[in-house]
Amino acid sequence: DAGVIQSPRHEVTEMGQEVTLRCKPISGHDYLFWYRQTMMRGLELLIYFNNNVPIDDSGMPEDRFSAKMPNASFSTLKIQPSEPRDSAVYFCASRLLNTEAFFGQGTRLTVV
Amino acid sequence: GQQLNQSPQSMFIQEGEDVSMNCTSSSIFNTWLWYKQDPGEGPVLLIALYKAGELTSNGRLTAQFGTTRKDSFLNISASIPSDVGIYFCAAYPRGNDMRFGAGTRLTVKP
Repeated sequence: DAGVIQSPRHEVTEMGQEVTLRCKPISGHDYLFWYRQTMMRGLELLIYFNNNVPIDDSGMPEDRFSAKMPNASFSTLKIQPSEPRDSAVYFCASRLLNTEAFFGQGTRLTVV
Repeated sequence: GQQLNQSPQSMFIQEGEDVSMNCTSSSIFNTWLWYKQDPGEGPVLLIALYKAGELTSNGRLTAQFGTTRKDSFLNISASIPSDVGIYFCAAYPRGNDMRFGAGTRLTVKP
């Protein structure tokens, strides 16, 4: 398996624009996580899915953030409208129940 | 709550020295994990611990799942320059999410 695949690796956008981050989990994994990493706050869990169903989105900062998982092999994290304070590295991770999680390489988002 | 307290925040050591870092919490966990993150990359799993008291080694790395299920430590023996990076502990509570410590930034001087 190629591992967790995220795209794009880098995204630079202007404030107010919509941003969509994409993730393909490892085949067969039934949990998918979205994390945000900043120097100030470290790794923060934003939302996670089990069998494509959102289980806990309490970490999503505000209504500008939304995440979907239309099928077992694809998830998106959308920010609309984007703001400079959203600049961070966003990671997707997947795993099976009660096993270790595997991370993608992340998307570095810069909002100017 | 479910916060993981990881220490130290950073370490500056000489090549060849041993390293020790740990994570504690007021909550009980079923699984403890240790990850390493290199610059520009995602965290990569080093060691997974699934039983209280479990002691597991992976080369020069050794980690233990505390008997109280509220803590874990990671030791690196005979450090080398490629050990440089950020080390994170992570744990699963009774639910299915995964929380991370703040990380330990390791610098190894040749």
